[in-house]
Amino acid sequence: GQNIDQPTEMTATEGAIVQINCTYQTSGFNGLFWYQQHAGEAPTFLSYNVLDGLEEKGRFSSFLSRSKGYSYLLLKELQMKDSASYLCAVSQGTNAGKSTFGDGTTLTVKP
Amino acid sequence: DAGVTQSPTHLIKTRGQQVTLRCSPKSGHDTVSWYQQALGQGPQFIFQYYEEEERQRGNFPDRFSGHQFPNYSSELNVNALLLGDSALYLCASSLELAGGRGGYTFGSGTRLTVV
Repeated sequence: GQNIDQPTEMTATEGAIVQINCTYQTSGFNGLFWYQQHAGEAPTFLSYNVLDGLEEKGRFSSFLSRSKGYSYLLLKELQMKDSASYLCAVSQGTNAGKSTFGDGTTLTVKP
Repeated sequence: DAGVTQSPTHLIKTRGQQVTLRCSPKSGHDTVSWYQQALGQGPQFIFQYYEEEERQRGNFPDRFSGHQFPNYSSELNVNALLLGDSALYLCASSLELAGGRGGYTFGSGTRLTVV
C-alpha cells in the first residue's frame, strides 16, 4: 500500500527555522514534492526532489533520502504568512502524475 | 498568464444525481490530473489525462470518469452521487516534457456538496 506520514501540527516563532519531516512507503517512486496550502486555497508547488540531497530555493529547502524513504522541508526566517498546511507528495507516475499525498502538516507561526 | 481555471466553484447536488466539473489548464500545460480532497486530508488522485486519454487512475470506482479535449481542457463526471462524494475537487495541470520540475499547478477547486 501507499503510506506517507508527516506530523499533523507544528508551531514556530516568527524569524525562527522549522523542519517538517515526511516519511514514505510507496510501491513506486519518481520524485517527491512539497506543496503549501493556505486555508481555503489550492496547493501551490514549493519543491521537487528526485535525487538524494538538498535542494535550496530562497527561504525554503527540501531534502531527500530515497534509501530511508525520508524527506524534510526546511523553512528559514519564518514569516506570519508561512502559516499554512504543508503537503508532502510522492509521484509514482511520469512527470507529476499519480502523486500520493500525505494529510499535511499545519504550521502555525506565532509572533 | 492564466493559471488553472475550474468551474463551478461551488455545487450542491442530490444523492443519485450526476455532476460534471470543468477545468482549463494553465497556458502551455498539456496534462490534467484530478484530485479529491476531503476536509483535513491530503488530495487523493482520481486520474490523469494526457493526449486526450486516461493515462493513470487511482482507486476510484467507475462512477468517476473524465475526458480531455484537443485544447487540453478537461471534464470530470461523477454518476450516481453518494453522500461520501462531498469534497473539494481539484484540477491540476502540468507539462509532460518538464518531468516533475515545476510540479502541478492547481486550480482553486470545486466544492461539491451532496445532500
